Amino acid sequence: AQTVTQSQPEMSVQEAETVTLSCTYDTSESDYYLFWYKQPPSRQMILVIRQEAYKQQNATENRFSVNFQKAAKSFSLKISDSQLGDAAMYFCAYRSFLAGGTSYGKLTFGQGTILTVHP
Amino acid sequence: DAGITQSPRHKVTETGTPVTLRCHQTENHRYMYWYRQDPGHGLRLIHYSYGVKDTDKGEVSDGYSVSRSKTEDFLLTLESATSSQTSVYFCAISDGGDEQYFGPGTRLTVT
Repeated sequence: AQTVTQSQPEMSVQEAETVTLSCTYDTSESDYYLFWYKQPPSRQMILVIRQEAYKQQNATENRFSVNFQKAAKSFSLKISDSQLGDAAMYFCAYRSFLAGGTSYGKLTFGQGTILTVHP
Repeated sequence: DAGITQSPRHKVTETGTPVTLRCHQTENHRYMYWYRQDPGHGLRLIHYSYGVKDTDKGEVSDGYSVSRSKTEDFLLTLESATSSQTSVYFCAISDGGDEQYFGPGTRLTVT
């Protein structure tokens, strides 16, 4: 079974600065997906960024980028130019690459990191 | 936004009573999931469905059952609620692509 670990329960950053959230995972699979989700106080789960393990290039989405280290099983999220609206709980998640079948799409989540943004 | 609703959004119930949470989708997606969110654990999968009447257990399925009699509805039942089932419950859907879409969540308190 896969496991996902977020070792930082809380992080803080000054507005306009950069912050990095850490995530490590354990798997015996070679192909998989990794995700970062944002959960603001509204509780809505919002997909921030995704990474396919077979792609060497790190994913980026505007101010959000990842540092994917497959051999180290590490998947960190970098938020540049932090904004007050970035304050939220962030979850790292893993999904097998299995195509179709009955087990398709199940997500394994980390414990979450609460990000505070100071003005 | 994906059309997912959950009902009720909040519920307080007593230990030993049955509780049913409903997830309704308008996207005609094949896959549906129930997760629970607890501090220090993130979200954990309870049950999931890969088609009408096709369901399977997740990692924390004890004390829960599910049913899916039509594509748009996925029901989660707590046969006899316990205080350990106090949690926030999320439904999610997927069309088989790499993204899951989450509902707004249901906060359940068992007293």
